[in-house]
Order: sequence, then C-alpha cells, then structure tokens
Amino acid sequence: AQSVAQPEDQVNVAEGNPLTVKCTYSVSGNPYLFWYVQYPNRGLQFLLKYITGDNLVKGSYGFEAEFNKSQTSFHLKKPSALVSDSALYFCAVRDNNAGNMLTFGGGTRLMVKP
Amino acid sequence: DAGVTQSPTHLIKTRGQQVTLRCSPKSGHDTVSWYQQALGQGPQFIFQYYEEEERQRGNFPDRFSGHQFPNYSSELNVNALLLGDSALYLCASSLRNNEQFFGPGTRLTVL
Repeated sequence: AQSVAQPEDQVNVAEGNPLTVKCTYSVSGNPYLFWYVQYPNRGLQFLLKYITGDNLVKGSYGFEAEFNKSQTSFHLKKPSALVSDSALYFCAVRDNNAGNMLTFGGGTRLMVKP
Repeated sequence: DAGVTQSPTHLIKTRGQQVTLRCSPKSGHDTVSWYQQALGQGPQFIFQYYEEEERQRGNFPDRFSGHQFPNYSSELNVNALLLGDSALYLCASSLRNNEQFFGPGTRLTVL
C-alpha cells in the first residue's frame, strides 16, 4: 500500500521569505511524486512532478521540490514567497507498479502574510 | 483547448437518492479517474476508466459506479446516498498512465 504524510496542517511565512512544505511518502515500488495546489472552490492545479533523474525538480510559479530517497521525502520549496501563493497544497504519490492511482496527503495550508 | 470539465458545479440531494456526475476529459486524453475530497481532507481515489472499462478501484463500496463512453467522457453514479457522501468530487483525465489533469469538481451536498 502507498501513503503520503504532510506533517504540517498549516505553514505561515512572510512575503519575500523562503517557504518549505513538507511531504514524506511510502511505496513498495519506485515512486512517482507530485505536488498540486488548490485555491478556494477550485480543483487541483499541477505544480511539478518527480519521475526519475535529477533530485531537484523545478515546476510552475517558481516552485521546486527536492526528492530524497533515503529520507523518503519530497519537500516543496520556493525561494521567495508571494501573498498570492496562499492556498492548499497537496503532495501525491503513485507507485509505478500499481497503475495510475494517486494517493494524496491530507494537505498543508500555506499562509503568506504581507 | 478546453481542459477537464465537470457538471454540474453544485448539487443538493437527500439521503437515499441517487446522483450522476459527469466529466469531459481534456482533449487528447483517453483515461478518466474519479476522486472524492471530503471537507478538510486530501482527495481519495474512487476508480479509473480506460477503454470504457473500470481498470482500477479504490476502497469505495459498490454504491459507487461509473461508466466511460466512446468519446472518453465519463459518469460517476452514487446510489443510496448517505450524509457522508457529501464532498467535492474531482475528475482527472490523462493519456493512459501519464500525468493527470483535474477538473474544477462537483460539490455534492447530501441532506
């Protein structure tokens, strides 16, 4: 079985400061990892993914994530937060030996204050 | 190029009723997945359709069923609605096992 943990319900950061949203995962096979963002009353928007290769993945809107196999983590980062980044962020994992099903974490609310 | 579309946007039903939700995939996509997102939680996988057949199913009861049409669009049916079925239902489309793109969702309220 695959699982995702997002240990922080909420992350608060000041505008212009770096941000990190944490994610750890568990899969039996090789993981495909994803980050999605959700704005109020909206669906999920894809930010970035890790399939293979470089451990540092760059995505949309200046976000990046670092894959760490030994720590089974895939933390989302951004060097300089914007107020408009305030939203709900979901980490998801797919076991590439188990079809296309995504397993999501519980989400982390990011609050960026001016 | 239209993305994933879902209808209706909102729906209110009473316990015991049946509901049908609809999804049109992004152009060029042939696979549709459905997810349930309860308030304050992450989405949970319900099932996936490819070539008009259910290919993978999550931990949901048989009250949840679906269909995929030849044009790749899909329906999610839920019978004998329970209060706990109140949620945002998300449809995602992909080209086979590639990256999934999500629609805006249908908000179902069961009274």
